[in-house]
Amino acid sequence: DVKVTQSSRYLVKRTGEKVFLECVQDMDHENMFWYRQDPGLGLRLIYFSYDVKMKEKGDIPEGYSVSREKKERFSLILESASTNQTSMYLCASSAPNDGTGYTFGSGTRLTVV
Amino acid sequence: TQLLEQSPQFLSIQEGENLTVYCNSSSVFSSLQWYRQEPGEGPVLLVTVVTGGEVKKLKRLTFQFGDARKDSSLHITAAQPGDTGLYLCAGGATSGTYKYIFGTGTRLKVLA
Repeated sequence: DVKVTQSSRYLVKRTGEKVFLECVQDMDHENMFWYRQDPGLGLRLIYFSYDVKMKEKGDIPEGYSVSREKKERFSLILESASTNQTSMYLCASSAPNDGTGYTFGSGTRLTVV
Repeated sequence: TQLLEQSPQFLSIQEGENLTVYCNSSSVFSSLQWYRQEPGEGPVLLVTVVTGGEVKKLKRLTFQFGDARKDSSLHITAAQPGDTGLYLCAGGATSGTYKYIFGTGTRLKVLA
């Protein structure tokens, strides 16, 4: 069964900490994405990558960075966590140009205190 | 900025009832997808529609893409408690796109 795996389901971090969220996919997909989901705001794109070592900013990249050193792994980094980054973080992957949609991970619920 | 508006935002119905959820935009999309998300989980793709006027059926779920490819609907017949969840539509802005725009979602609760 193909899947996208996020390393943690729940995380609690302190303000100012550097936080790493890891995502691994086993479908050999070129495209990977990081979204955050907040009540009333829907899914908002943070960053995406269409190839190894390539990245592009999404709609809300401020306070975040990403790393894609290998095709199967896409990491989201919160350089200095703040309380307004408390959210559900969703990783997704997709094959290029075939319109088959995203495969999402189960999400990481991050709380910054 | 392209927007996808979903209606209604919330829907609570009794088991056995029918319902329709709408996804509307002023923009044309090359394809449109529907996802269902259960609490504490990521969204799961239900269907992709790509042709204007296309209708797809998935058991009790019927999906339609508008003729002008600006809107879509999801109809559920004889809803069951297992249909409870957040339904999201997502549009691909251009042909071959790898980035989709998500609607704000419709939260459905089906009561037994």
